[in-house]
Amino acid sequence: AQSVSQHNHHVILSEAASLELGCNYSYGGTVNLFWYVQYPGQHLQLLLKYFSGDPLVKGIKGFEAEFIKSKFSFNLRKPSVQWSDTAEYFCAVIRDSNYQLIWGAGTKLIIKP
Amino acid sequence: DVKVTQSSRYLVKRTGEKVFLECVQDMDHENMFWYRQDPGLGLRLIYFSYDVKMKEKGDIPEGYSVSREKKERFSLILESASTNQTSMYLCASSLVGADTGELFFGEGSRLTVL
Repeated sequence: AQSVSQHNHHVILSEAASLELGCNYSYGGTVNLFWYVQYPGQHLQLLLKYFSGDPLVKGIKGFEAEFIKSKFSFNLRKPSVQWSDTAEYFCAVIRDSNYQLIWGAGTKLIIKP
Repeated sequence: DVKVTQSSRYLVKRTGEKVFLECVQDMDHENMFWYRQDPGLGLRLIYFSYDVKMKEKGDIPEGYSVSREKKERFSLILESASTNQTSMYLCASSLVGADTGELFFGEGSRLTVL
């Protein structure tokens, strides 16, 4: 079965630290990849997406993600986090058989001021 | 801006009660979805609809039903609520086409079943 794995359920960092959140998927075919973010008390929103082309994609608020096909990975990065980045981050992959998303379990990121 | 509005942010119901969760989107999106979000489990798809009066089961449809009588409105129904349905319920919508997968979410409805 297709699945999406997020390596860490909880990550705690200090402000200005660098961030990398792991995401691996199991599907071997063509994929569309997404990172969504849910800030405390707010709705889920799209952070960035990869459909094709340059495997390094840039999203909102200084986030970027790199698609490495050989590793089935789509890790999220930010060089210097801020307190306002405290949120839950979800990786998701399109399931091309019926265009439905497969979601990772989420990573809760806490940034200490 | 796409707006997805869920009728209730917080509900408390008793076991066996019928529960309606309403969702309205204002951007003429074809696709609408109901997910439940539980800690450590991510988002699990309950039902989705790709057109008026059309519905498809997701990964966990048991104990739920849906209704889509109008394009902008997608309702989730718990015919007889049970304690294991205590959860956060998220409604989302999207366009059909190249950006399928870019979902717009409501703020969620947190349901507690006692």
